[in-house]
Amino acid sequence: TQLLEQSPQFLSIQEGENLTVYCNSSSVFSSLQWYRQEPGEGPVLLVTVVTGGEVKKLKRLTFQFGDARKDSSLHITAAQPGDTGLYLCAGGNYGGSQGNLIFGKGTKLSVKP
Amino acid sequence: NAGVTQTPKFRVLKTGQSMTLLCAQDMNHEYMYWYRQDPGMGLRLIHYSVGEGTTAKGEVPDGYNVSRLKKQNFLLGLESAAPSQTSVYFCASSRRDSLGTGELFFGEGSRLTVL
Repeated sequence: TQLLEQSPQFLSIQEGENLTVYCNSSSVFSSLQWYRQEPGEGPVLLVTVVTGGEVKKLKRLTFQFGDARKDSSLHITAAQPGDTGLYLCAGGNYGGSQGNLIFGKGTKLSVKP
Repeated sequence: NAGVTQTPKFRVLKTGQSMTLLCAQDMNHEYMYWYRQDPGMGLRLIHYSVGEGTTAKGEVPDGYNVSRLKKQNFLLGLESAAPSQTSVYFCASSRRDSLGTGELFFGEGSRLTVL
């Protein structure tokens, strides 16, 4: 059974600080997605990474897929209150439907003004 | 821009009652999913469908049934609700994608409480 462990589980920081959240597995995934979920809403896709070592940037957010495609990180620079939410990583595999997408339990981020 | 719409948004049931959650998508997606989200447990897949008339079990299917009679609709049924089914339920859809990289589009969730 493939599992994705996210850390930390909770993170509370002040506006302007930098942070990194992690998504780790002992299994190899063909792709890794990051979603953000705001209170009372469904998750929304931020990025998909598919190549080992790949780095993608989305404004102040930097996503990295590990060389071995077993782990990923999300780094936020100069966090803002609007970044508050639950960050979920999800691993996918070639040849499977999205029914094979494995979600981590999430990192709940709170950015205080 | 409706996307994925879930009804109802909130429901309170007594133990043993039955109910159906309806999910509708207007993006012509082949795949549809039902997840439940509980504190500290993340998103867990209940059932999913890869096309009209087909369904498959996910990680936590017990106590639930589903049907996909029309491509745009995916119904989740609870025949005899139990307190352990108190949760927030999310429907999602995605295009056909054998690479495992397709984006999931989620509804806003349905909060179910079973007393």
